[in-house]
Amino acid sequence: NAGVMQNPRHLVRRRGQEARLRCSPVKGHSHVYWYRQLPEEGLKFMVYLQKENIIDESGMPKERFSAEFPKEGPSILRIQQVVRGDSAAYFCASSPPKWGTEAFFGQGTRLTVV
Amino acid sequence: LAKTTQPISMDSYEGQEVNITCSHNNIATNDYITWYQQFPSQGPRFIIQGYKTKVTNEVASLFIPADRKSSTLSLPRVSLSDTAVYYCLVVLTDSGNTPLVFGKGTRLSVIA
Repeated sequence: NAGVMQNPRHLVRRRGQEARLRCSPVKGHSHVYWYRQLPEEGLKFMVYLQKENIIDESGMPKERFSAEFPKEGPSILRIQQVVRGDSAAYFCASSPPKWGTEAFFGQGTRLTVV
Repeated sequence: LAKTTQPISMDSYEGQEVNITCSHNNIATNDYITWYQQFPSQGPRFIIQGYKTKVTNEVASLFIPADRKSSTLSLPRVSLSDTAVYYCLVVLTDSGNTPLVFGKGTRLSVIA
């Protein structure tokens, strides 16, 4: 987890509220990926972003979820009107323009919807 | 994207060598085989990557036969701290970035 910072680490939201998850990639990395992980499950790809562009959002639910990676600042995963089923760990990874050897993952944000 | 198949879980005693085999029958010519490790409540961490034959680093060895349809991650002399989920992935590395696709991985439990 070399340098990918996610915050908050834990987030509790009531049903219907909005959740904002932040990810600061490794310095110099312009590619960010968001994954969701349910308990005892593998990581499910959600969205792939470059600076100011969404490259692949094939894993993103069509409603209530959005992501951005602005020119300045962290990448944001936004979940509107959260429901209990959104409770999960959300991980962010960053990489340089080509995979080369590895992607670096953050420690994740654990979202609990009550 | 090549799909991978690996055992759901494995148990081992401390000090033993652990070998986790992964099948990737549809691997493409330009795919690399990559393994990640995930501890509870943490993000995945890269362990090792290879294309063919054998790769070794300070953490593990990766054995890939000539047909590349499978690979084996070898962890020498495991300790309790090696208890984790291990993911086998195939990664296309020569045409820009495609998202990593994770399966359910192999849950390794190391017993004292």
